[in-house]
Amino acid sequence: QLQLQESGPGLVKPSETLSLTCTVSGGSISSSSYFWDWIRQPPGKGLEWIGSMYYSGNTYYNPSLKSRVTISADTSENQFSLKLSSVTAADTAVYHCAIHIAPSGDYPPHYFDYWGQGALVTVSS
Amino acid sequence: DIQMTQSPSSVSASVGDRVTITCRASQGISSLLAWYQQKPGKAPNLLIYGASSLQSGVPSRFSGSRSGTDFTLTISSLQPEDFATYYCQQGNSFPLTFGQGTKLEIK
Repeated sequence: QLQLQESGPGLVKPSETLSLTCTVSGGSISSSSYFWDWIRQPPGKGLEWIGSMYYSGNTYYNPSLKSRVTISADTSENQFSLKLSSVTAADTAVYHCAIHIAPSGDYPPHYFDYWGQGALVTVSS
Repeated sequence: DIQMTQSPSSVSASVGDRVTITCRASQGISSLLAWYQQKPGKAPNLLIYGASSLQSGVPSRFSGSRSGTDFTLTISSLQPEDFATYYCQQGNSFPLTFGQGTKLEIK
């Protein structure tokens, strides 16, 4: 059973870059069956998919955020990370990391099997 | 992008009631739909995948079905621990998209 934990600054200034890391325990993230995901939830609102990275290095991003998002991984540390640049107050949210199992490799279906508890990031000066 | 339209946005019900939540996809997604339950301050929890397959450990009072691009989550007999917010999510193609959520409240 994988356990995921987000870490990073809880307060980021407008125009700066939000950086979060997801540390995974209970198993290796280096599996051809895994995608590494980020999902966010503004306070009191619904879920928004940010992006996913397949273990091969292929990345997929939400078009609305694509120009500002980078997902990367450090398999030696069993971690993956999110960077979101040029943040504004609209980026204030709880950010969840997640992992989804892809039994057919880099193909559907895509469901989020494991989730971190989430990290609240507030964008404010 | 595939839009997921979920209804109702909220519903009030009593313990023992049967509740149905609906999600409609803007285009065909086969049966590649999941349902999640989220309680306040917690991460979402995968309940159903493939439109109707129950995730391990999920009580059998939860069920899912599909008719074309319409999907339904049914809770057959509400228990106190079921009061939460429920989301659908299409798993067919990127960008992955969620419904707006349904808050299930105690009447």
